[in-house]
Amino acid sequence: DIQLTQSPSSVSASVGDRVTITCRASQDIGSYLAWYQQRPGKVPKLLIYTASNMQRGVPSRFSGSGSGTHFSLNISSLQPEDFGTYYCQQVNRFPHTFGQGTRLEIK
Amino acid sequence: QVTLRESGPALVKPTQTLTLTCAFSGFSLSTTGVCVSWIRQPPGKPLEWLALIDWDDDKYYSTSLKTRLTISKDTSKNQVVLTMTNMDPVDTATYYCARSGIVGATYYFDYWGQGTLVTVSS
Repeated sequence: DIQLTQSPSSVSASVGDRVTITCRASQDIGSYLAWYQQRPGKVPKLLIYTASNMQRGVPSRFSGSGSGTHFSLNISSLQPEDFGTYYCQQVNRFPHTFGQGTRLEIK
Repeated sequence: QVTLRESGPALVKPTQTLTLTCAFSGFSLSTTGVCVSWIRQPPGKPLEWLALIDWDDDKYYSTSLKTRLTISKDTSKNQVVLTMTNMDPVDTATYYCARSGIVGATYYFDYWGQGTLVTVSS
């Protein structure tokens, strides 16, 4: 199975800060990576697909980059509603594994 | 409008078999490329991908759980069913179903059900 390792496991940042979350794959997955946001008690929401494509309705402060084994999710100017846990997921090869999550707290 | 809704028992005993149903609307699982998956999340823990069934009735499973899982579809009823045998307390989780196959023409989940919490306890 392809393992996805996210870092950091948790981060605390202030409104307006730039935040970067990384996801490293145990083998080359091309660009077949998605990012999801999950607020507490809520359903995950697709933010980014195919590494860098923004899902419709997602604010432009979110962006994704990377390919191969190293990926990043960037939030350019953190907003209060961005708190929650962020997950990467690879869909290059079955089983479609998730990362362990990065918890984002707003200071 | 795309919706998915999970249903099944809230409580199961150890060693029992769990049967969950995902009833969906707003799309057809006979449309080329469309898939429905099951994902679970134990309380306070990460998401775990379980299984996927596609429009062509191809099925894929979690490596660690594949001996216990069966996914099936009833296209006429717009339902996908997941069975998990030999339930254990570590299987306590919220179980989600989700659609994929539209965004990026591949397996990204664009719609999720609200999830159903399953507790395994005697």
